[in-house]
Amino acid sequence: QKEVEQNSGPLSVPEGAIASLNCTYSDRGSQSFFWYRQYSGKSPELIMSIYSNGDKEDGRFTAQLNKASQYVSLLIRDSQPSDSATYLCAVTTGGFKTIFGAGTRLFVKA
Amino acid sequence: SAVISQKPSRDICQRGTSLTIQCQVDSQVTMMFWYRQQPGQSLTLIATANQGSEATYESGFVIDKFPISRPNLTFSTLTVSNMSPEDSSIYLCSVGLSKRGETQYFGPGTRLLVL
Repeated sequence: QKEVEQNSGPLSVPEGAIASLNCTYSDRGSQSFFWYRQYSGKSPELIMSIYSNGDKEDGRFTAQLNKASQYVSLLIRDSQPSDSATYLCAVTTGGFKTIFGAGTRLFVKA
Repeated sequence: SAVISQKPSRDICQRGTSLTIQCQVDSQVTMMFWYRQQPGQSLTLIATANQGSEATYESGFVIDKFPISRPNLTFSTLTVSNMSPEDSSIYLCSVGLSKRGETQYFGPGTRLLVL
């Protein structure tokens, strides 16, 4: 079992829809959770961090964390073509090591 | 956040040679990291470079192949030694700005092609 798992996609959604990206992790002692966006040919850009169970909203982005289920998700509301990118889930384990998932490719169709 | 620059942005090298990649940050940071990203793949941590201590390498990466310097709190270098085509990749430095360094910000990357 991989330490951080994501569906590789591609996930295709129409413009204006909600895009839902999911991530599971294996280390129950994990403490910090992050979502990065990576455009093709560019480096990862931090868009959200979440540390406690529940939802955290920032503009059109909502991160959701459920530590009991070892699950973290990212919702993008009113998806725009400019949101088309690869989204990386990152988890800092109990040993303070940050593990990145393989990423989910998102396509937002105009 | 932080402004991070890397040099060179890209290079084409011959096998057997070495390349040193520089990472410069606009503020003092304790924790810096070096990653490799193969095309279409996720990030693989090469090593953690904290100022004032030896770099800590991840499994599969050794100092002889990837020597790292961290002379001060704003600068680090990664050398890819005795290169082979398998070293062709994007190399990224990042800085950890939170207390334990887990919140990371990335430089623009160095695209390396080894012929």
